Amino acid sequence: SQQGEEDPQALSIQEGENATMNCSYKTSINNLQWYRQNSGRGLVHLILIRSNEREKHSGRLRVTLDTSKKSSSLLITASRAADTASYFCATDAESGAGSYQLTFGKGTKLSVIP
Amino acid sequence: DSGVTQTPKHLITATGQRVTLRCSPRSGDLSVYWYQQSLDQGLQFLIQYYNGEERAKGNILERFSAQQFPDLHSELNLSSLELGDSALYFCASSAIKGTEAFFGQGTRLTVV
Repeated sequence: SQQGEEDPQALSIQEGENATMNCSYKTSINNLQWYRQNSGRGLVHLILIRSNEREKHSGRLRVTLDTSKKSSSLLITASRAADTASYFCATDAESGAGSYQLTFGKGTKLSVIP
Repeated sequence: DSGVTQTPKHLITATGQRVTLRCSPRSGDLSVYWYQQSLDQGLQFLIQYYNGEERAKGNILERFSAQQFPDLHSELNLSSLELGDSALYFCASSAIKGTEAFFGQGTRLTVV
């Protein structure tokens, strides 16, 4: 089952604009991660935010986490055509008996128009 | 290059057949995850191994099985294949709990 749900499912913006993607999840987490996938390729890790953190930055990326609302957002500033990809949030959570799962949502497909 | 190697890259096989997908994790990573991605779908978690032991199981069909060997490479076995099993299968590895996962480039399985 999907733990995270990204919103919107698809987003189309002009180059130079900011892109915001949201993720909601259902259970308590250890951390939340964002990944990027170019069409048909492997996923690439972008950023990890721990459950006790509220905001994190990496280059043009800004991630926020609100554990009380069980939600996160990914902001890409000054977008470029090369940012065109699908973006996934993934939650790292205990799955019982000392095990943990990294569970992905269905992703947001971002198109940046030059 | 993530350091995770998956073979083969592409596989075309007939319904009813059995295939084995192979994954070599990043050097030093003890955790291996397997995911299935169907067209325009998110990643479905199948199974996770840690240092040779199964640690978590997701939506993995009984026709599918996996193992992690002493050298830490992993194999995903898919049997009695159906058309609906056509998908991208990804392997990922991570060092320890709570850290980022590194993904291979995937095996594209087509069942005809």
